[in-house]
Amino acid sequence: GAGVSQSPSNKVTEKGKDVELRCDPISGHTALYWYRQSLGQGLEFLIYFQGNSAPDKSGLPSDRFSAERTGGSVSTLTIQRTQQEDSAVYLCASSGSGGPDTQYFGPGTRLTVL
Amino acid sequence: AQSVTQPDIHITVSEGASLELRCNYSYGATPYLFWYVQSPGQGLQLLLKYFSGDTLVQGIKGFEAEFKRSQSSFNLRKPSVHWSDAAEYFCAVAPTSGTYKYIFGTGTRLKVLA
Repeated sequence: GAGVSQSPSNKVTEKGKDVELRCDPISGHTALYWYRQSLGQGLEFLIYFQGNSAPDKSGLPSDRFSAERTGGSVSTLTIQRTQQEDSAVYLCASSGSGGPDTQYFGPGTRLTVL
Repeated sequence: AQSVTQPDIHITVSEGASLELRCNYSYGATPYLFWYVQSPGQGLQLLLKYFSGDTLVQGIKGFEAEFKRSQSSFNLRKPSVHWSDAAEYFCAVAPTSGTYKYIFGTGTRLKVLA
C-alpha cells in the first residue's frame, strides 16, 4: 500500500506568517510522530499521537508550534508567527501500534522562512 | 540524559571496500535500536532493528549490525560497499516503554568512490 505522504514538499514563507504542514500516515497505523531535521540540531522529536490518547507534546520547541490529528488519521503541524530558526525539514512517521514498532517516514516538508 | 553518538560525521570508502559505521548510546537500560538510511531528497528508510535476541542483526541491502551491551554500541557493517550506498545513515534508539519516540544520532554521511 501507499507509504506516508506529506504536503507540501517545499514551503517558503515570510517571517511572521503562519504555516500548516500536512501528514497522511499509512492506513491503519495508530501512532503518528513529527520530527524536525535541521542543521546543527539533527533529527529531533516534536510530538506523538497514539489513537485517542492525549498527545505527547514534550518535544515542541515553543507555544508557536501545535499539531492535531483528525479522526485518528491525517495530522497537521501548525507553526504560528514563523521565525527564521524554524527553517528545517519536518518529517512525519507512522507505526502500526505505537509500541516498539518500526516507524515509517514520509519524504518530509522543507520549510524555509525568509 | 539519553543520547546517541555517531562519532564520524563523514566517511569516504572505495566501492567494494568494507564499511563500519559507529553508534554508541547512553541509556538507562537496553533500548530498542535502529539504523535508518536517508538518500538525498528522500525520507528515512529502515535498514535494520534490534529489539532482543541474537545480537547480530541482518538488514536490507546487505547491511548487518551487532549489538554489544558491554560497549553500549550498535555498529553498522557492510562487507562490500556499492556506489548506491552513498547516503546519510542515522542510528536511533527508542525506549522500551512509553511513547517509543526515537532519539537520533547526528548522522554519518557516506561517500563512495568509484
